[in-house]
Formats: sequence, C-alpha cells, structure tokens
Amino acid sequence: DAKTTQPPSMDCAEGRAANLPCNHSTISGNEYVYWYRQIHSQGPQYIIHGLKNNETNEMASLIITEDRKSSTLILPHATLRDTAVYYCIVRVAGSGNTGKLIFGQGTTLQVKP
Amino acid sequence: SAVISQKPSRDICQRGTSLTIQCQVDSQVTMMFWYRQQPGQSLTLIATANQGSEATYESGFVIDKFPISRPNLTFSTLTVSNMSPEDSSIYLCSVEGVAGVGEQYFGPGTRLTVT
Repeated sequence: DAKTTQPPSMDCAEGRAANLPCNHSTISGNEYVYWYRQIHSQGPQYIIHGLKNNETNEMASLIITEDRKSSTLILPHATLRDTAVYYCIVRVAGSGNTGKLIFGQGTTLQVKP
Repeated sequence: SAVISQKPSRDICQRGTSLTIQCQVDSQVTMMFWYRQQPGQSLTLIATANQGSEATYESGFVIDKFPISRPNLTFSTLTVSNMSPEDSSIYLCSVEGVAGVGEQYFGPGTRLTVT
C-alpha cells in the first residue's frame, strides 16, 4: 500500500502558485519524499525529491515539515501545461530494488485559464 | 536524465495471443523496471529486471504470464502472454537516473487493448 495521502483533485488559476499537499505520517528516517507527475497519455516525469530540507529546482519547490510527516509541492507559476496527476512517493534513496516506487492515486491538478 | 523508447506505442490484440514490448535506453543502466497502469488507475510495479539475472516479480505477477528478458544494459522486453481483456493497460518501463539519488525516468508507455 502507498505510504502517502493526497487530495484526489485540486484546481489552480493559471499564473498562480499551485500548492499540492502530501501526508506521510509513517515515513522512516531513511526515506526520502519524491514527487512525480503524469501528464495525460505520457509516462510519469520526475519532479523533485528531498529528505528534510526544503528543495528547489527549475520545476518546483518542495517544503517538508520539521517532523517530516507532511510536505508540499509548489509550482510557483502554474501554466496550462502543468495540468497532470501529481504523485507523492516516499522511498529509500539510491538504486536497487529496495527503493522501488509505490504509486498511490495522486492528486489531479487542473490549471484553469 | 535517460531517454527511453518503447515499441510498439500501442497495439490491439486478440485474446489468447501474446505481445512482446520492447524498451530501449540511451545509456547503460543496471536496473530496469516494468509497470502496468490499468485504465483510470495508478501505476503498479510488475517486476525489476537486472542484466544477466532473472527478473524479480512483485506479488500478483508471475513469470509465466509476464516473462522478461534483459539481454544487455540498454534493452529489455516484457511479454504479456495468453492475453485476456483484463490485460488491457498501459505498460511502462523505467530506469533509475545516473545521479544515484533514486529518481526514475519513464518511457512513453505501450497502450495495449485486448479484444
């Protein structure tokens, strides 16, 4: 079973920030938080990951609470092309079978003009 | 990031037949993963494929139904055997990034319809 809980859907106005929450209250000390998204009819796309510090890259920012039981993915200026299903996944970092991805149902983000 | 291609992109097959899906990566990778995404559902891991060894299957998936080959470090195939309409899904392969921080990169998927 997935170790994360996400709202099934969210709307966001184009140009505004999209804040996608994720609860992972049972996260272990060596597990990272990963975010992926799946645009319709495409394979999932890696966005960002983090352990306990906030992270930012060219796509998004990841804010992890101090107790690490929840996190928020922030798309600072959402565009229509950001409409997708967003998956929050916790797993051990590094390669190998121990770090396999377990996908939950994700959050369907609809960016509206 | 890795560039991954899959063939075929889609197919319509009759029940009882088999289909082999190919996955090609533009760089050498140790592990490749095969996922299934049933209509309207999330992704489910089928198996992990190491080069030179037998694939490791997840609970609910068996080698007789989903045989996997991994002949080299850039290529893998997944066969869906003795298909039924319940096998209608998108099948995706993925690899882990070379940075070694656990991110995975996915192919575009193969959309299979079984009639």
